[in-house]
Amino acid sequence: ETGVTQTPRHLVMGMTNKKSLKCEQHLGHNAMYWYKQSAKKPLELMFVYNFKEQTENNSVPSRFSPECPNSSHLFLHLHTLQPEDSALYLCASSQTYAGETQYFGPGTRLLVL
Amino acid sequence: GQQLNQSPQSMFIQEGEDVSMNCTSSSIFNTWLWYKQDPGEGPVLLIALYKAGELTSNGRLTAQFGITRKDSFLNISASIPSDVGIYFCAGTVLTGNQFYFGTGTSLTVIP
Repeated sequence: ETGVTQTPRHLVMGMTNKKSLKCEQHLGHNAMYWYKQSAKKPLELMFVYNFKEQTENNSVPSRFSPECPNSSHLFLHLHTLQPEDSALYLCASSQTYAGETQYFGPGTRLLVL
Repeated sequence: GQQLNQSPQSMFIQEGEDVSMNCTSSSIFNTWLWYKQDPGEGPVLLIALYKAGELTSNGRLTAQFGITRKDSFLNISASIPSDVGIYFCAGTVLTGNQFYFGTGTSLTVIP
């Protein structure tokens, strides 16, 4: 138990569906992250929020839309995804976005049909 | 962008053997971290290193922050089946906020 929870743990969706991934951290951290992990590839940083403000968007397609309503919660809204978007989506948090240790959630395994 | 070279890519060892893996970078790093990821789960932090030369243990695991600040290694002694998983190194460069992750070392322990 790392103090970072993610729901759902598994998600299957069609290309025309809209779904959301949720992340919650109970560590009192101020920075939260979304990563994509595909088979046999390094972790890809998608978005960073520091004190609820988006500070990084690593050229992520607009079909992925993040939302950070407060420092403890982070969402990733998904719409009109492609099969190549199938991957493990990991949420992480750290004290602030200053190179501090990141703690990961268990991930959401996404399959796009 | 910054690249962390992690080796070996995969290891198959007998239960009870010791394991060693390392991570190198082209830049000077400020922190080095080692994570373990079980299948279908998120990475879990094993050891964090913050000073050049630092040697830190966590049970059967030992990690060191290289003197040059461009490398780190992780040793696992007397491996057991539950050590199976993917081990990632990660770190931050001397200037900047972004974390960089290695490509991972996949460890298989044969009972």
